[in-house]
Amino acid sequence: EVQMVESGGGLVQPGGSLRLSCAASGFTVRSNYMSWVRQAPGKGLEWVSLLNSDGTTEYADSVKGRFIISGDNSKNTLWLQMNSLRAEDSAVYYCARDQVSVTYPVYGGPTYYHYMDVWGKGTTVTVSS
Amino acid sequence: EIVLTQSPGTLSLSPGERATLSCRASQRISSSYLAWYQQTPGQAPRLLIYGASSRATGIPDRFSGSGSGTDFTLTINRLEPEDSAVYYCQQYGNSPRYTFGQGTKLEIK
Repeated sequence: EVQMVESGGGLVQPGGSLRLSCAASGFTVRSNYMSWVRQAPGKGLEWVSLLNSDGTTEYADSVKGRFIISGDNSKNTLWLQMNSLRAEDSAVYYCARDQVSVTYPVYGGPTYYHYMDVWGKGTTVTVSS
Repeated sequence: EIVLTQSPGTLSLSPGERATLSCRASQRISSSYLAWYQQTPGQAPRLLIYGASSRATGIPDRFSGSGSGTDFTLTINRLEPEDSAVYYCQQYGNSPRYTFGQGTKLEIK
């Protein structure tokens, strides 16, 4: 069964650090695109960071320079190192698998699809003094 | 940055009715990069539709997606009580890589 389980959330003071983990089963983390998405209490979804299968990383402007995404082949785990945390980083953090698929129509070039097809249940981060 | 605007904010319908949810992009986007998700309280989002109109695995055919360019629609036929949820559209772009709409809350009376 394909699934992911996040952990590492908790209460941390402003300016502190936390490392989230996302343990995957049924597929290989480093062979896929993987994202972190967060949801502040009562708010909508916000994409945070992406790790491509070639190791390229991308970040939302709101976390750039403070968060680091990485993947571990031996543990089949996705990580999110969060530094210099702020109150506005308080949220449920979800890891999600980015599915990248392609179709080849009879005419024209290939069509690429990007979407998040598998999600973990989330881990809660609270930044407060 | 492409902004996705969903409407209405809240939709209240009865079982058996049809729900029509809108997602409008601030710029033209590729249909293959538009997805819809369902989120029930306390749960993670669940993929419903990708590529604007393709149903994800296990999603009933009561759910359908359509649209192109800047206007996209999620239609839910024959509403059931378990369809009560918040629905989000999402697009894959350049910077930021993904953006979500603000969500539409669907209430089944």
